[in-house]
Amino acid sequence: GNSVTQMEGPVTLSEEAFLTINCTYTATGYPSLFWYVQYPGEGLQLLLKATKADDKGSNKGFEATYRKETTSFHLEKGSVQVSDSAVYFCALPRGGKLIFGQGTELSVKP
Amino acid sequence: DTGVSQNPRHKITKRGQNVTFRCDPISEHNRLYWYRQTLGQGPEFLTYFQNEAQLEKSRLLSDRFSAERPKGSFSTLEIQRTEQGDSAMYLCASSLFEEGTEAFFGQGTRLTVV
Repeated sequence: GNSVTQMEGPVTLSEEAFLTINCTYTATGYPSLFWYVQYPGEGLQLLLKATKADDKGSNKGFEATYRKETTSFHLEKGSVQVSDSAVYFCALPRGGKLIFGQGTELSVKP
Repeated sequence: DTGVSQNPRHKITKRGQNVTFRCDPISEHNRLYWYRQTLGQGPEFLTYFQNEAQLEKSRLLSDRFSAERPKGSFSTLEIQRTEQGDSAMYLCASSLFEEGTEAFFGQGTRLTVV
């Protein structure tokens, strides 16, 4: 079946550290892939997306590359800020709806 | 358009009572989704509409849950005879029809059943 697996959190980093949050998926074909972010007290919002294999999505200093060989879409940022503290969700659109990973909580300390 | 709007933001109810939540999607979006999110988990799909037609309902969804989208505009989610296990954040989202299109989420309704 279709599924998304994310690395477990919470992840705690110091400001300006490098961030990687792993995401792998199971699906047939080459679906679009999304990263959503949920800041404290707010709704989910799209962070970035990739619509086909080998695409790189980027936004706000975050990047993710759609790698079909490893069925992965890992999220990276070179230098995190305190304001990046949030929960990050990898998502796969399938059958008219989004299938989410369990989320990875990121806490960035000054 | 101010985005997806959900009301109320918070609801506390006694076990056994019925509750109803409302979602107003982005006006030009023909798809509307309901998800449930519990602490430490990703959003879990409940149901979705295309215009006024309910196209899919999760098999995990109890018969106590019902959703409507009259006239293809706003939607309501009703939970009858609430149980403590229904306590969660209920999220609404909307999107255009195309597969793989971004969904826009509301801020959610937090339900607490006491």
